Amino acid sequence: EDQVTQSPEALRLQEGESSSLNCSYTVSGLRGLFWYRQDPGKGPEFLFTLYSAGEEKEKERLKATLTKKESFLHITAPKPEDSATYLCAVQGSNSGYALNFGKGTSLLVTP
Amino acid sequence: EAGVTQFPSHSVIEKGQTVTLRCDPISGHDNLYWYRRVMGKEIKFLLHFVKESKQDESGMPNNRFLAERTGGTYSTLKVQPAELEDSGVYFCASSHAGRGYTEAFFGQGTRLTVV
Repeated sequence: EDQVTQSPEALRLQEGESSSLNCSYTVSGLRGLFWYRQDPGKGPEFLFTLYSAGEEKEKERLKATLTKKESFLHITAPKPEDSATYLCAVQGSNSGYALNFGKGTSLLVTP
Repeated sequence: EAGVTQFPSHSVIEKGQTVTLRCDPISGHDNLYWYRRVMGKEIKFLLHFVKESKQDESGMPNNRFLAERTGGTYSTLKVQPAELEDSGVYFCASSHAGRGYTEAFFGQGTRLTVV
């Protein structure tokens, strides 16, 4: 069974203090690893899809990387508006199109 | 482009009652998914439609849950009769045909509380 573990559960950063969120996964045949951002009371908002080890994608202050066992979401010089829950999900060859989510990392960036 | 829309945003019902949740996907998206997050747990897959056909129902918890997608457009998820453990946030998502591996766009969710 596919498994996704995210760490830490919660992270508090000062504005401008860079850090990384971790997503460890086990999956039978990775089709894709997805990062989403979720604000309170809203649905997950798509950020990135990574397909193979070594792949990297960037968007503004966010950069996602992928290895065979884990993915990192690097946040460079975060701003308060980056505060949200960040969700990682995998799609495996045995799970059709279903996304298997981790519990998320709750990020708070203070001024 | 309008996003995925879900109705209602909140619903409070008594145990044993029936509730129907509705999802309007992004226009032109053939893939439609239902997910659920119960308190303290991760978001879990319920089922997947391709147009009006159920492609994967492996996540549906039991036969009290019935999902339909009329004419391959909007979808409904009915819970009958509702139980306390059905409380949670129900999300709908949609994606383009042939791109089920990428970019599933989620609605804002329906928060269901069964009392």
